[in-house]
Amino acid sequence: DQQVKQNSPSLSVQEGRISILNCDYTNSMFDYFLWYKKYPAEGPTFLISISSIKDKNEDGRFTVFLNKSAKHLSLHIVPSQPGDSAVYFCAASKAAGNKLTFGGGTRVLVKP
Amino acid sequence: DAGVIQSPRHEVTEMGQEVTLRCKPISGHNSLFWYRQTMMRGLELLIYFNNNVPIDDSGMPEDRFSAKMPNASFSTLKIQPSEPRDSAVYFCASSLTESGNTIYFGEGSWLTVV
Repeated sequence: DQQVKQNSPSLSVQEGRISILNCDYTNSMFDYFLWYKKYPAEGPTFLISISSIKDKNEDGRFTVFLNKSAKHLSLHIVPSQPGDSAVYFCAASKAAGNKLTFGGGTRVLVKP
Repeated sequence: DAGVIQSPRHEVTEMGQEVTLRCKPISGHNSLFWYRQTMMRGLELLIYFNNNVPIDDSGMPEDRFSAKMPNASFSTLKIQPSEPRDSAVYFCASSLTESGNTIYFGEGSWLTVV
């Protein structure tokens, strides 16, 4: 039972354009959402997060949008840079405790 | 500041052998997690500790897997006996519960069982 899903396994985008990564969840108890970025042979690194009381959080080139009614969140990267090429994981947790449930990841390739 | 430190980074072992993976969490963090990454199942939580106490081990695949946290600065994940299907990247992560739900990962231990 996959509670967090990233339906696009890969995404290719031109440098300077927008990258949009999508994530869907099924558990309505989730109220905190995070995006992690992972380079090959490294551990995932925290990128940006959003709590369920917000619908948008922005940090530089990265913006996360949350649509609670649709149980959907997205990550926008604008403008995309070659160094953004990595695998991006969406994760979710419930209020009690901080165990994270991860999606399957989306591999992003930014072409120069 | 030192991040989460894992050892070994790479291990190749024969089926049936015991494997021990080690983790030192970030100093001051009170939660520790063991995750496994495979192509088929992605990143899955095996077990997590809070204040050195196992809270949820429902992700531990079988009795062959065991994890301990004898103190706040050290944890082990043991597989005995190992099988080829255990081949994966094992990540340790830690967090400070009071500061929110962000967890910080180590670089992973790449295990190959032949």
